[in-house]
Amino acid sequence: RKEVEQDPGPFNVPEGATVAFNCTYSNSASQSFFWYRQDCRKEPKLLMSVYSSGNEDGRFTAQLNRASQYISLLIRDSKLSDSATYLCVVNGGSQGNLIFGKGTKLSVKP
Amino acid sequence: GAVVSQHPSWVICKSGTSVKIECRSLDFQATTMFWYRQFPKQSLMLMATSNEGSKATYEQGVEKDKFLINHASLTLSTLTVTSAHPEDSSFYICSATTSGGLYNEQFFGPGTRLTVL
Repeated sequence: RKEVEQDPGPFNVPEGATVAFNCTYSNSASQSFFWYRQDCRKEPKLLMSVYSSGNEDGRFTAQLNRASQYISLLIRDSKLSDSATYLCVVNGGSQGNLIFGKGTKLSVKP
Repeated sequence: GAVVSQHPSWVICKSGTSVKIECRSLDFQATTMFWYRQFPKQSLMLMATSNEGSKATYEQGVEKDKFLINHASLTLSTLTVTSAHPEDSSFYICSATTSGGLYNEQFFGPGTRLTVL
């Protein structure tokens, strides 16, 4: 089983749509969870951390289910500028190194 | 916010040459820096973890003699790809954190795209 698994997509959605991404991780000892966004040929940028109680930042909502080792990201009212690859990221080691999923590609169309 | 720079942003070199990539934290002291590699349509793969003043810790499968890492100061880490070959062509990204541990945010550099002919 891969350490962090994501549906690669692509997800092609119209503007204004709601889209959900899922991710599973294999290391039950992981303590930190994140969603990063990566634009084509650019470095990843932190979108939001994911907390056990779930958290929301504007149009973005993240959920964590530790029992199922499952993380989700919900994007409401999609904008054209949301088009990117969304990376599910989990901390994996004692030195704080991060383990990245392959990412889910989102394309928002007018 | 914390800014990390990388230089060069892209490089093309001949097979057999060595290439040095610099990673700098511009407005904070980075006790730990990480080096990643990303092949097309693949996830970022951690190559090594570098702590200032000590030897880097390499991930399994990464040759330490081929990918030389130096973290001589709290604001600079370098990755040297020695005797580069076409299969080393990739996107190399560094990140830095203000201290080790599990919860500190990592700040990423803009990446260096290496093409080996």
